Amino acid sequence: AQKITQTQPGMFVQEKEAVTLDCTYDTSDPSYGLFWYKQPSSGEMIFLIYQGSYDQQNATEGRYSLNFQKARKSANLVISASQLGDSAMYFCAMRESSNDYKLSFGAGTTVTVRA
Amino acid sequence: DVKVTQSSRYLVKRTGEKVFLECVQDMDHENMFWYRQDPGLGLRLIYFSYDVKMKEKGDIPEGYSVSREKKERFSLILESASTNQTSMYLCASSLLQVDSNQPQHFGDGTRLSIL
Repeated sequence: AQKITQTQPGMFVQEKEAVTLDCTYDTSDPSYGLFWYKQPSSGEMIFLIYQGSYDQQNATEGRYSLNFQKARKSANLVISASQLGDSAMYFCAMRESSNDYKLSFGAGTTVTVRA
Repeated sequence: DVKVTQSSRYLVKRTGEKVFLECVQDMDHENMFWYRQDPGLGLRLIYFSYDVKMKEKGDIPEGYSVSREKKERFSLILESASTNQTSMYLCASSLLQVDSNQPQHFGDGTRLSIL
């Protein structure tokens, strides 16, 4: 079964607008962590933001915020005030406490920011 | 600043060749990982290592082996390359600490083509 589902293969967003990238996950572990990574066309995976399953507040890092809805098992990434440099592929990933070495990745969402 | 270095950005090899992909990290991380990335599939774990000379199979180990003789270096070996191993290969490292928000840090990736 797919542990991480990203249903949006590609998205276009206007510069300076906000964009939401969807991520749903499947786990029976009570303790887990969720990560978002950015992969520009150069190939490197860049860590953006982390949300722990027991965190009371949604994570934020600069223009990135995570809309964590635990009951719905969703962890959507919100990028505010999009910039041309945000054009990249974005991956959602999960680490479960029962399998704590591994990250399970979604298929990714390609974001293209238009001027 | 953290650094994971993969020996080649692009590599072209022939079917049946033995192929070595090298990865070095300078962060004194215990864990190291090899993933392959294919369109629509996200990243899939091939092998990981949590200590020198220790290795564990990931989700898709068939056709691959690994070597970790030193803490900072983790090598992926394609014993007899086949065309279905044409892919993007990503190396990552992380601290051993579990139940933490420590992300995996990635290299720039190697685009491997098997002809």
